[in-house]
Amino acid sequence: GAVVSQHPSRVICKSGTSVKIECRSLDFQATTMFWYRQFPKQSLMLMATSNEGSKATYEQGVEKDKFLINHASLTLSTLTVTSAHPEDSSFYICSAREIGQSAQETQYFGPGTRLLVL
Amino acid sequence: GQNIDQPTEMTATEGAIVQINCTYQTSGFNGLFWYQQHAGEAPTFLSYNVLDGLEEKGRFSSFLSRSKGYSYLLLKELQMKDSASYLCALTTDSWGKLQFGAGTQVVVTP
Repeated sequence: GAVVSQHPSRVICKSGTSVKIECRSLDFQATTMFWYRQFPKQSLMLMATSNEGSKATYEQGVEKDKFLINHASLTLSTLTVTSAHPEDSSFYICSAREIGQSAQETQYFGPGTRLLVL
Repeated sequence: GQNIDQPTEMTATEGAIVQINCTYQTSGFNGLFWYQQHAGEAPTFLSYNVLDGLEEKGRFSSFLSRSKGYSYLLLKELQMKDSASYLCALTTDSWGKLQFGAGTQVVVTP
């Protein structure tokens, strides 16, 4: 149990286009999902916290108009990178916490989406 | 904010023991996690400590001292597949947001 999927796993796009990444909890419901970004040889950096039915909370320095997050259901959150540029090329990872779990409970990570902007 | 420090890289031989230290400074504390991450993959959960002491789980153990802002992950009977990055992460709020350290790359040699 506790499987999180991401789609696509890998995407290459041209500069200026928008890319949507989906994060799904497959066998549980998640009120809270988190989006992270990881550059090569660096650690994961939290971008935003996504709560079902409400606006996402963005970390300092993350542009909310550039990284649009929608958490429309208890099993799906989407991250849209708008007007992507080469510097947005990164490994994007989502995680989900099962409904009813406390904040201290472990999060389940998706397999990640590798974005390359040409 | 918080400051999380862990060594960049450690090398050990197969069958040996390696201890990865993590020190942190934070204004709030709601738990400390250890994750394993292989290159190009998402992190996988290893352990969670919220109270002082040692948590043992098979070949992996994790220790926490909140007063010292210190934790370690102990890997015993190292196997080649244990070569990976090990991430120390803190959660400091009620949302459970994770703040990760830079990770320690463990290299296991034959």
